[in-house]
Amino acid sequence: GIQVEQSPPDLILQEGANSTLRCNFSDSVNNLQWFHQNPWGQLINLFYIPSGTKQNGRLSATTVATERYSLLYISSSQTTDSGVYFCAVTNYQLIWGAGTKLIIKP
Amino acid sequence: DAGITQSPRHKVTETGTPVTLRCHQTENHRYMYWYRQDPGHGLRLIHYSYGVKDTDKGEVSDGYSVSRSKTEDFLLTLESATSSQTSVYFCAISDSLAGGITGELFFGEGSRLTVL
Repeated sequence: GIQVEQSPPDLILQEGANSTLRCNFSDSVNNLQWFHQNPWGQLINLFYIPSGTKQNGRLSATTVATERYSLLYISSSQTTDSGVYFCAVTNYQLIWGAGTKLIIKP
Repeated sequence: DAGITQSPRHKVTETGTPVTLRCHQTENHRYMYWYRQDPGHGLRLIHYSYGVKDTDKGEVSDGYSVSRSKTEDFLLTLESATSSQTSVYFCAISDSLAGGITGELFFGEGSRLTVL
């Protein structure tokens, strides 16, 4: 089956820094999503991005389907960005990465 | 925000008792899912539904059953709860796209279940 790898597994940054999270997948997929799980446990849908680039405020995502990876950019980090970021890919079945745990220090 | 409501949000029960978790959606989406999340395991699919009365097993379905009698409601039942079923349970919904591809996934707020 498809393997999904996220990197880095952990990331600690100061408030105001920029970060790039990566999601690699081992085979062609029909779609890809990024989620943020905040410290209170809520899972929030960030991007639905099978290919191309999308932006939402300080967050943007790029998926290069032909090279089987996606990147999530967070600019000017805030403490509220802390949490775990998951990518999940679908090829008729949703497959999750293990997540990147991000801690933003004030 | 997608209209997904889980109930109860918190429950403590004893081993051997039946438990039912409810997921209610107002989006009229075709697919509904139940996941559990445990430390070190990420999100694992328990069961999902692709229509009224149409359900299928996920990767960790043992000990769980589901029912979907209406588009908007998806019930997860633990017939006889065990301590290993202590977890946070998430309901999710998605619509279907052309070619049977799953659309965007939206999650409920989670239900924390403790089995003593």
